[in-house]
Amino acid sequence: GQQLNQSPQSMFIQEGEDVSMNCTSSSIFNTWLWYKQDPGEGPVLLIALYKAGELTSNGRLTAQFGITRKDSFLNISASIPSDVGIYFCAGNAGGTSYGKLTFGQGTILTVHP
Amino acid sequence: GAGVSQSPRYKVAKRGQDVALRCDPISGHVSLFWYQQALGQGPEFLTYFQNEAQLDKSGLPSDRFFAERPEGSVSTLKIQRTQQEDSAVYLCASSGRTPKSQETQYFGPGTRLLVL
Repeated sequence: GQQLNQSPQSMFIQEGEDVSMNCTSSSIFNTWLWYKQDPGEGPVLLIALYKAGELTSNGRLTAQFGITRKDSFLNISASIPSDVGIYFCAGNAGGTSYGKLTFGQGTILTVHP
Repeated sequence: GAGVSQSPRYKVAKRGQDVALRCDPISGHVSLFWYQQALGQGPEFLTYFQNEAQLDKSGLPSDRFFAERPEGSVSTLKIQRTQQEDSAVYLCASSGRTPKSQETQYFGPGTRLLVL
């Protein structure tokens, strides 16, 4: 089946630093989504990308849909302590898989004040 | 407005018990999804409804898992004869009506199931 490889698995950074994480896939996706999950909660949508090459920002977050449609990255600028959490990429392949999101393994982000 | 809600938030079951997990999607959302999230992993797809029709149940791990959405709104995920390997967080998500919004899923807080 489809696999998403998300890296890095974890990051330990100082407050104020920029962060970058990415996802790659063995197959094409029509939509890329980035979620953040806090302990004991469900994933919260951060950014949705619908077109190859699309670059979208949401405050200090910027994400891009790779032109090959097999990868995406998420950048967080000037990190703050509340950025701590687990970040997941997710892709929707469409077609017969319409409705099914495939998730990466997650990136655990720790921000030191 | 209200987001996706799930109940119960926590469930402890003895091995062999049946459990029922409830999901209330965002009002007006036609699509509803169930995912299973093991500890330290990303969510994995279980099943998908559009209105009351179950369009994809390819992710259900066994015939002990059953989902329904009889009136196209609230959904219930039922697990019969629970096993220890069923212990996980069960997440529900919903999405809207337009083609672009259908691809954007909003998640509930999850039900944490522990089977002893």
